[in-house]
This record gives sequence, C-alpha cells and structure tokens, in this order.
Amino acid sequence: EAQVTQNPRYLITVTGKKLTVTCSQNMNHEYMSWYRQDPGLGLRQIYYSMNVEVTDKGDVPEGYKVSRKEKRNFPLILESPSPNQTSLYFCASSLFSGQIPTKNIQYFGAGTRLSVL
Amino acid sequence: GDSVTQMEGPVTLSEEAFLTINCTYTATGYPSLFWYVQYPGEGLQLLLKATKADDKGSNKGFEATYRKETTSFHLEKGSVQVSDSAVYFCALSDQAGTALIFGKGTTLSVSS
Repeated sequence: EAQVTQNPRYLITVTGKKLTVTCSQNMNHEYMSWYRQDPGLGLRQIYYSMNVEVTDKGDVPEGYKVSRKEKRNFPLILESPSPNQTSLYFCASSLFSGQIPTKNIQYFGAGTRLSVL
Repeated sequence: GDSVTQMEGPVTLSEEAFLTINCTYTATGYPSLFWYVQYPGEGLQLLLKATKADDKGSNKGFEATYRKETTSFHLEKGSVQVSDSAVYFCALSDQAGTALIFGKGTTLSVSS
C-alpha cells in the first residue's frame, strides 16, 4: 500500500530537548516536504527536498533542520524546541520526474501532534 | 506573493443539503488548483484538482471549476452526507512549483 508514515503520532516534550520526527514514503517519490498546521493559519511549508541531498527552506524554517540521506526518508529535527513550535506537523511526498512537483498529487502522512512545554 | 482565501467556517448543514465553499486566489502565472480534505485524526487527502482555466475537477460528488476571470475555485456538492464532515482546504501550486499554498481551511459539519 502506497503511504507516507510519520512517527511518532503524538509527542510531548520540554523546551530545549532535541527531538526528531521521522517521515518515510514507499512510493519512490523524489519530492518530500514538511508542513506545520496551526489554527487559523492553515498549513505552512517548513522545508522541502527535491531529491537525495537536495533540501531548501520553505516559508517557516526557523528552528528546524532536515536531512535527506536516502530517497525514502526525510526526518524533521528540532535541535532546541520552544513552545511556539507546538503544532501539528505533516510530511508530504510526490513524484517529480522533471515536472513541477507540486502540480502532482501530494501524499500526506497522518500527522504528528507536538506539544512543547 | 501567492495566496489563497477561503470562507471561514464552521459550516453546518443537514444531510442532503447543497454545499458551497468559496475559494479565491492570488497568483502570478497559471497555478494548478486543488481541494484537499482532512478527516478527523487523519492526514490530508487530495479531493480534486484542476490544472488550467475552465477545467472542472470532480470526485465523490464534489466539483470545482477553475475560473481565471474571477480567480476562483469554489467547491460544490449537490447533496452532502454525514460522512462528508471534515476540514476542507483550498490550495494552489506556487510559482516555483516547490510548495502548496493553502487556505486556512473550512470545517464542515453535516448532521442527520
């Protein structure tokens, strides 16, 4: 079954304690992306990756890091989480194949709800 | 920059009622337009899409037409069901093609 898997689904942590949210897709997609969803703001892009070892900032990258060492995985790293990073996070992937990736169907994970105390 | 504006919710309807959720956009060029749906506790799923002016996207009884002259992509369904209760997001592909720009989402609640 084609899917994007995020872990964990729920996480409560404290300010300053490094954490990683994993994202894995089994569709051999080149393009992957992270979004955060906040009430009244919709979804905003944090980082994206066009392929292995190619990553770039989205609209709200401050406080986050990513890596793309393998095609299937795109972890989101919070080196020193702060309460303003409390949010619902979604990973997404799509085919690229020379076309504009966001014109293709984006497949989303089920989300990770993060609370930073 | 590119942006999407959709009607604020929540929208509360009775089963079999007609649904319209308004969506307008601001963008340079010719973006692709999407409606995504988020059911409780789940991620977003593509509902329908349109890639050029006058295209009509349709799926599961939902429809939306890409209107370039009014920069709109309104979502409609003739007869909603309780199972349609969800959050609906209008989105466009940004000019660089590296991000989806989302509206704030509209919560639909359908009662029997």
